[in-house]
Parts: sequence; C-alpha cells; structure tokens
Amino acid sequence: DGGITQSPKYLFRKEGQNVTLSCEQNLNHDAMYWYRQDPGQGLRLIYYSQIVNDFQKGDIAEGYSVSREKKESFPLTVTSAQKNPTAFYLCASSIDPPGQGNQPQHFGDGTRLSIL
Amino acid sequence: GEDVEQSLFLSVREGDSSVINCTYTDSSSTYLYWYKQEPGAGLQLLTYIFSNMDMKQDQRLTVLLNKKDKHLSLRIADTQTGDSAIYFCAERFDSNTGKLIFGQGTTLQVKP
Repeated sequence: DGGITQSPKYLFRKEGQNVTLSCEQNLNHDAMYWYRQDPGQGLRLIYYSQIVNDFQKGDIAEGYSVSREKKESFPLTVTSAQKNPTAFYLCASSIDPPGQGNQPQHFGDGTRLSIL
Repeated sequence: GEDVEQSLFLSVREGDSSVINCTYTDSSSTYLYWYKQEPGAGLQLLTYIFSNMDMKQDQRLTVLLNKKDKHLSLRIADTQTGDSAIYFCAERFDSNTGKLIFGQGTTLQVKP
C-alpha cells in the first residue's frame, strides 16, 4: 500500500542537540511538507518542497532545516536553535504540479518530539 | 493575512447530526478541505469542495460553502462514537504552491 511513513513515532531531545525526523513516501508525489502542531492549535507550515533539490521556508522555519535529495524523502532537522521544540510534527505530500486541479495533501502519522 | 477560524468544541449524542463550522478570510481560495485527526495520529482527508460549488455530499458527510460569507460547514449525519475526533478545515489559497492554511480544529465529542 502506498503511503507516508514517519519515524520515529516518539523522539526525545537533550539540550543543545540536533535531531532529525524522517519522512518517506511511496506515492510518487512531487511536493512534500512539514508541519508543527501544538495543543489547541492548527497546523503551522515549517518547510515545503515542490521538487527534488529545492525547498522553501514556511511560516515558522527558524530553528529547523530540511533537505530533499530524493523524491521520496524529506527529512526535517530540529536544531538547537529551536528553543521550544516540544510538539507533534506532521509530514505531508501531494501530487504536483500545483495549480492544475485538486491535489489534497496526504499525511503521515506524525512524530512526537519532547525535551529531556 | 489569511486566517481560518473554527469553534473549538462540539458535543452531540450518538445518532444526532453534527455540524462543524469554519470561516475563512481569503476570497481567492480555490479548494477547501476537511480533515479528521484521531488521538495520536496524522490527518485523514475526509472530503473537499471546489470554490465554485455550493454543496457536496459524500455518504454521511455534507459540505456547504457560502462563498459570500466565506463560511464552510461539515455536517455528519447519524453521528457515531467512532466520529469522535478533531476536525480541521483548511483552505488552499495559493494555487502556485499548494500551501494550505488550517483552522485550529474542532473537537467533536459523541456521547452514547
């Protein structure tokens, strides 16, 4: 079955440590997205990528970095510069190109990141 | 800027209809979506509506769009306990990037 796989499900970060969250999709989607979800809030866009080797900042990119070396993979690194990293992180993908009809985003099951 | 607002909580009895409301600010929205999130899980796409439509029905789900008032609603007929979840509306306002703006989510509680 095609889908989006996020790992790990739970992750703990020590002070001053960088951690990387994995997102892999086998849907052959061009576009991929990273969101952050805090309790009682909607999803906020961190980074997105419409094509391999290209990505753009979303609304809350500070303290995060991404790479898109392969179409199926879009890892997110939470750096030590992100002072409040505790949240639920969701990865999504959609078929591209945008602008040509409806391309809903499909989501993984998320990674919950906590500070030790 | 773009904004999507939802009420935070709705409680209904099993078998009743649920209506979850959403308002948005960007009149250039192309598609509007409803997603469901169960505890500890990702978002599941429920349904969507194109901005030139007024209504869309999909089994127990009915989506109504009032473009003049920028108001979107999701009606769930014969609500079941398995429908208990958080429901997010989202608008796609940027057709060049596919970016979505999400509301803060409505928690639906279904009482037996």
